[in-house]
Amino acid sequence: AQSVTQLDSQVPVFEEAPVELRCNYSSSVSVYLFWYVQYPNQGLQLLLKYLSGSTLVKGINGFEAEFNKSQTSFHLRKPSVHISDTAEYFCAVRSSGNTPLVFGKGTRLSVIA
Amino acid sequence: GAGVSQSPSNKVTEKGKDVELRCDPISGHTALYWYRQSLGQGLEFLIYFQGNSAPDKSGLPSDRFSAERTGGSVSTLTIQRTQQEDSAVYLCASSLALGDEQFFGPGTRLTVL
Repeated sequence: AQSVTQLDSQVPVFEEAPVELRCNYSSSVSVYLFWYVQYPNQGLQLLLKYLSGSTLVKGINGFEAEFNKSQTSFHLRKPSVHISDTAEYFCAVRSSGNTPLVFGKGTRLSVIA
Repeated sequence: GAGVSQSPSNKVTEKGKDVELRCDPISGHTALYWYRQSLGQGLEFLIYFQGNSAPDKSGLPSDRFSAERTGGSVSTLTIQRTQQEDSAVYLCASSLALGDEQFFGPGTRLTVL
């Protein structure tokens, strides 16, 4: 079965600094990869997704992620964070076929002024 | 159109009572998912529906939990004889087809006293 590992449960970072949130998944022939964001007291919303094509995916709010098949990773990056980026970030993966997404345990990003 | 809606938004109940949580998915979405998010924890997958059918109920925490979906639309998650450890935010999501991008509702915050 597919699994997702988010290596960092919490990431504190100063405002305007770069950030990388790490995500690794168990190997599979082909995967679809997603990052979701959950702002305080809200549901999850899609940040970006990789289905096929270019391995560098750009999402909303200046975030991007790179699919690395050899390292089975899909790390999320932003060159300069804002206070408003403080949220919980979830990586999710789906193998091809009709299967639900599998979510990681989440990474809490705290942006410090 | 409207997104995924959940009701109630907040529910406070006494230990031992039954509660029913409701999810209205996006119209036309065939797949529906329930998750639980406890304080400081990640997303715990509970159950999914493809149409009205739930192929795998092994994610439900105990036999006090049940879920149903009727008419390929609204779903209810029922918790019988609630316990304090059931306190959590219950999230519902739907997708056009199983494995597609999931759209989340705002959640129901359940507090068992």
